[in-house]
Amino acid sequence: NAGVTQTPKFQVLKTGQSMTLQCAQDMNHEYMSWYRQDPGMGLRLIHYSVGAGITDQGEVPNGYNVSRSTTEDFPLRLLSAAPSQTSVYFCASSYSPSGDSDTQYFGPGTRLTVL
Amino acid sequence: GEDVEQSLFLSVREGDSSVINCTYTDSSSTYLYWYKQEPGAGLQLLTYIFSNMDMKQDQRLTVLLNKKDKHLSLRIADTQTGDSAIYFCAEIPSGAGSYQLTFGKGTKLSVIP
Repeated sequence: NAGVTQTPKFQVLKTGQSMTLQCAQDMNHEYMSWYRQDPGMGLRLIHYSVGAGITDQGEVPNGYNVSRSTTEDFPLRLLSAAPSQTSVYFCASSYSPSGDSDTQYFGPGTRLTVL
Repeated sequence: GEDVEQSLFLSVREGDSSVINCTYTDSSSTYLYWYKQEPGAGLQLLTYIFSNMDMKQDQRLTVLLNKKDKHLSLRIADTQTGDSAIYFCAEIPSGAGSYQLTFGKGTKLSVIP
């Protein structure tokens, strides 16, 4: 298993540009989440999904959209990038109905800089 | 929202034990987690403890849970330079699932050779 993969690893945007951060998992997990990590702030939840076709907002959803058309993929869209969205973004997945644990596994992260 | 609190820095000498502390506010949390983040990397699950346990040991790692005080600690025995990283405490808030962890701000552990 590749686990949780994220692309790109690094990205630089100009203010106002849009882009999509990709996330995929091959563990048949039902749950997927997006977090952002800022210095001294820990990780904060942006959006999450409990299954294909179901998404909901986390703690800091403004400026981001998500969709979950398949179990494997959970892309995060920045509609109009702002410097405040400069951060490291982590995707995570958890919970397989056939599994015996319910822990989140994280991708390697995408480092985004908005100029 | 619920808060998970950790001290920001800890420095220990190689070979000593490290103890990283965490306090949480949601007494209904079912699972509590410890994650490790090395520089430039993602988060790696170290261990977790279920709320009906007081202690869990896994090789050099010992997790202690005091539900009365809402205090969680991670002890690393015989700390090595490879243990230098940021350690995050996390909980699943009441009514949430594992898709919605609440993290502390992280404790940066520095190991002095």
